[in-house]
Amino acid sequence: SQKIEQNSEALNIQEGKTATLTCNYTNYSPAYLQWYRQDPGRGPVFLLLIRENEKEKRKERLKVTFDTTLKQSLFHITASQPADSATYLCALDTLRGAGNKLTFGGGTRVLVKP
Amino acid sequence: DGGITQSPKYLFRKEGQNVTLSCEQNLNHDAMYWYRQDPGQGLRLIYYSQIVNDFQKGDIAEGYSVSREKKESFPLTVTSAQKNPTAFYLCASKSPDRGYFGELFFGEGSRLTVL
Repeated sequence: SQKIEQNSEALNIQEGKTATLTCNYTNYSPAYLQWYRQDPGRGPVFLLLIRENEKEKRKERLKVTFDTTLKQSLFHITASQPADSATYLCALDTLRGAGNKLTFGGGTRVLVKP
Repeated sequence: DGGITQSPKYLFRKEGQNVTLSCEQNLNHDAMYWYRQDPGQGLRLIYYSQIVNDFQKGDIAEGYSVSREKKESFPLTVTSAQKNPTAFYLCASKSPDRGYFGELFFGEGSRLTVL
């Protein structure tokens, strides 16, 4: 069956350290993968997109990798700050090229402690 | 300001009643989406629409209905057939700027509680 899995356990991390989140998928071949941030009671906000032919993408303190062989994306927050505390969601296009269907993983909550 | 507007923000419904959630966008986006989020969980796709007068079922469409008569509007009706409707509902539209690879812009959500 098709699945998109993110670590459901919250990630507690000390300020200044690097937070690493995983997004694993099975039985999909997405052309791209996206990462979003969601604060409690709010709608998600887009952070980064990485295409299948890209190994790595960076934006300020954020870095995303995409390994289509392992069917995995890693999301890194370097020099983490308490303001980075939120839930992070990955999303895939699950109808590759056949439409705009974006399917989300369950999200990982990150708590950065000062 | 451009964006996605969802209303109402909070809604209470008695069992057996239909309720319609509004979603309006002024971003001139073609594709629009409805997701459902349960506490501590990710987003599940209910319906999506790529153009006016066309929409497709997502992964959990049973008990829901939509219409797309105007580009700006994509209302969601939660019918009495939806067995567990209490949830946080999110509407989104997709930027065409990067074509197929465009990101989603979300509204602030509507929280529906069935009494």
